This record gives sequence, C-alpha cells and structure tokens, in this order.
Amino acid sequence: GQNIDQPTEMTATEGAIVQINCTYQTSGFNGLFWYQQHAGEAPTFLSYNVLDGLEEKGRFSSFLSRSKGYSYLLLKELQMKDSASYLCAFQSGGSYIPTFGRGTSLIVHP
Amino acid sequence: SQTIHQWPATLVQPVGSPLSLECTVEGTSNPNLYWYRQAAGRGLQLLFYSVGIGQISSEVPQNLSASRPQDRQFILSSKKLLLSDSGFYLCAWSDGNYGYTFGSGTRLTVV
Repeated sequence: GQNIDQPTEMTATEGAIVQINCTYQTSGFNGLFWYQQHAGEAPTFLSYNVLDGLEEKGRFSSFLSRSKGYSYLLLKELQMKDSASYLCAFQSGGSYIPTFGRGTSLIVHP
Repeated sequence: SQTIHQWPATLVQPVGSPLSLECTVEGTSNPNLYWYRQAAGRGLQLLFYSVGIGQISSEVPQNLSASRPQDRQFILSSKKLLLSDSGFYLCAWSDGNYGYTFGSGTRLTVV
C-alpha cells in the first residue's frame, strides 16, 4: 500500500535551522513535493524532487533518497513568517493522484 | 501563465441546503483537476479528480458530487449539506507532470 509520515509539530527559534523529515512507502515513485500552507490559506508549492540528492532554492532546500523512501525539507535562517504547516506529498508512477502527508506545523518563536 | 480561480472565499450555509462551488483554470488545456477538503487541523482529503471533460473519479463516498462541464471548469455540489461537510475546500490543477497548483480555497461553515 501507500503511506506517508511526517512529524505533527516542530518548534524552532528565529534565525536557526530546522529540518522537517518525511518518509513514504509506495510501489512506484514519480516525484516528491513540499508545500507550505499558512493558516487559513491554500498550500503553495515549495519544491519538487524526482532524483536523489539535494535541491537548493534560497533559504529552503529539499533532499530525496528514493532507496530509503525518505525526504527532508531544510529551512535556514528562520523567520517568523516561516511559521506554517509544511506538507510532504509523493506521486506514484502512472498515477494522477498525489498522496499528501498530514503536514508538520512549524512554530518559529523569537 | 496559468491561473486558477475558486469562489466563493467563504460560505455559511444551513444544514440541508444545496451547495455549488466553482473552480476554473486559465492558460492551460486538458488539465487534471482535483477537489480536496481540509478539516481544521487535519490533512488534505482528496474528494474527486478529473482527467477530462465528463470524467469524474470519486475517492470518498459521501453526499457530495462533482462535475466537469467544460475542459477548464470543475464544480463541487451537494443537494443537502450536513454539519460534517464544514471545512476548507480546495481546488487544484496539474498538467500531470510537475506539481499541483491550488486555488485560494473556500471556507464552508454548515450551521
């Protein structure tokens, strides 16, 4: 079957670095996504990984290991506005349907 | 560029009343379209998806239905709302290759 897991909540200090982990299980794989969702708003796209390795985009980086069914989102130089829910999602090969995790609520405090 | 429009932004409806939420996409052809619901503090629940006009797949049995009368239009409906239908409804589109773009969402409160 398909399954995806990420921590429910994390806290971090402004200016610090935080890593949000995501593990998944699927019989086929066609990409992993990270989305950011602020309270009361729609999710917005952050990153897409289809090959193993690290993808860097400004303060945000996303890592993928297909053999381990593992990804993480790395946020550097945290700002208060980074307080949000971070959703991990994977797409199975041949499927039009992404499987979303429940999201990790990140709280950044001064 | 592609854009997705979803309305209304908020809606308060009495139990037993009908529902119609509309979503349209611009700047692309033959998109894959999705309706999601997100209850407070919960993850995204896929309700329906469509890969073409008139093609609807339901993921969760319930009193909601979806239709795709035109290529870039996706409608979520109900004949009689239940209290449990309250939530944040999100429309999304994808070209099948790279990422999913969400509409701004509709906050539905059934009273």
